[in-house]
Amino acid sequence: DTGVSQNPRHKITKRGQNVTFRCDPISEHNRLYWYRQTLGQGPEFLTYFQNEAQLEKSRLLSDRFSAERPKGSFSTLEIQRTEQGDSAMYLCASSMDTNTGELFFGEGSRLTVL
Amino acid sequence: KQEVTQIPAALSVPEGENLVLNCSFTDSAIYNLQWFRQDPGKGLTSLLLIQSSQREQTSGRLNASLDKSSGRSTLYIAASQPGDSATYLCAVTSYGQNFVFGPGTRLSVLP
Repeated sequence: DTGVSQNPRHKITKRGQNVTFRCDPISEHNRLYWYRQTLGQGPEFLTYFQNEAQLEKSRLLSDRFSAERPKGSFSTLEIQRTEQGDSAMYLCASSMDTNTGELFFGEGSRLTVL
Repeated sequence: KQEVTQIPAALSVPEGENLVLNCSFTDSAIYNLQWFRQDPGKGLTSLLLIQSSQREQTSGRLNASLDKSSGRSTLYIAASQPGDSATYLCAVTSYGQNFVFGPGTRLSVLP
């Protein structure tokens, strides 16, 4: 088991461009979460999936953000028309749908919008 | 709406000291509480998970306790080492809901 994998690790883009991040969860985990973290703050919830179903979406997730998990395995987070305020670390996590539900994180994808 | 706070925001101790980090949450109807460690620029590493029916969990030099009724958890680190320097975050969840995180405590252990 290789853990949660995120790509790319770093992305620098110009304002107005679109970016996409990918997350591969731990293989037997059916829950997948996206969080955003800015410097000095705890992670803020964006959205989560159970298998391919997107069950909850934060109000933080504007119309420019979209997430998918088409086959219940990997997930993508796309940000359209990026703004400087989107600069942050985007964290993906996964867990099993059991009583323990322990959360495991990837290394994150750092976005810098110039 | 669940809110999680952590005190202190930052802590600096000499090597070898025992220390306690605090986590408070406003809604006691939680399912799990989890403690994480985060090194600069990295993702979060799970340290301990406490289910709502449990009072504490231990792993090596770490001990986490949970008091649901008062909305508090503590993370005790024994015999601290410079390698323990990191930010420590707690998070709570209700069943089927997302995890809500505190802002973290930044720990520095001085050699």
